[in-house]
Amino acid sequence: GAGVSQSPSNKVTEKGKDVELRCDPISGHTALYWYRQRLGQGLEFLIYFQGNSAPDKSGLPSDRFSAERTGESVSTLTIQRTQQEDSAVYLCASSLVFRYDEQFFGPGTRLTVL
Amino acid sequence: EDQVTQSPEALRLQEGESSSLNCSYTVSGLRGLFWYRQDPGKGPEFLFTLYSAGEEKEKERLKATLTKKESFLHITAPKPEDSATYLCAVRGAGNMLTFGGGTRLMVKP
Repeated sequence: GAGVSQSPSNKVTEKGKDVELRCDPISGHTALYWYRQRLGQGLEFLIYFQGNSAPDKSGLPSDRFSAERTGESVSTLTIQRTQQEDSAVYLCASSLVFRYDEQFFGPGTRLTVL
Repeated sequence: EDQVTQSPEALRLQEGESSSLNCSYTVSGLRGLFWYRQDPGKGPEFLFTLYSAGEEKEKERLKATLTKKESFLHITAPKPEDSATYLCAVRGAGNMLTFGGGTRLMVKP
């Protein structure tokens, strides 16, 4: 079956604009995670969805960041009023419930804010 | 706050030259230490999970070990195709994984 897919693969935007990033998890994976990876650095946790439970938003860096997920399907990460420091690769991962180890990652969306 | 530090940041090896990558961590109540491999332009790929001190896992030329303060990823007789960034992460009390900055491994033929 298909792996985790993300779109767009690259996004260039101007400072102050809003952007929406999309993640399609593996079918049947109830857990979904968003991470941010700045150039040459490790991954920073942003948000975690598990089924219909309230999401864990503890990693969101500011109120400009928000994410939604409908049921156990697609998720969108929205960044409002983008800043240059938002430039990074945004990675999405999915897993079976409570299988934090076996997170399957998508290829990421490279966001560049000019 | 959970913390993960990986060393070295970059490692150059000749093909066949064995070495180790280090991952030092501080976490409240370790609920798993994870190793991932990341190739350029791709998402991380899961390698190993370790749960308790003394545990070891092996896969081809890679072996991961765990103590109460650190984990090592041993690479035996590496090949050029082992070149990648290796990421270490820990899970503590919450839902999140805390990642280290990674070690960029380059294996020359």
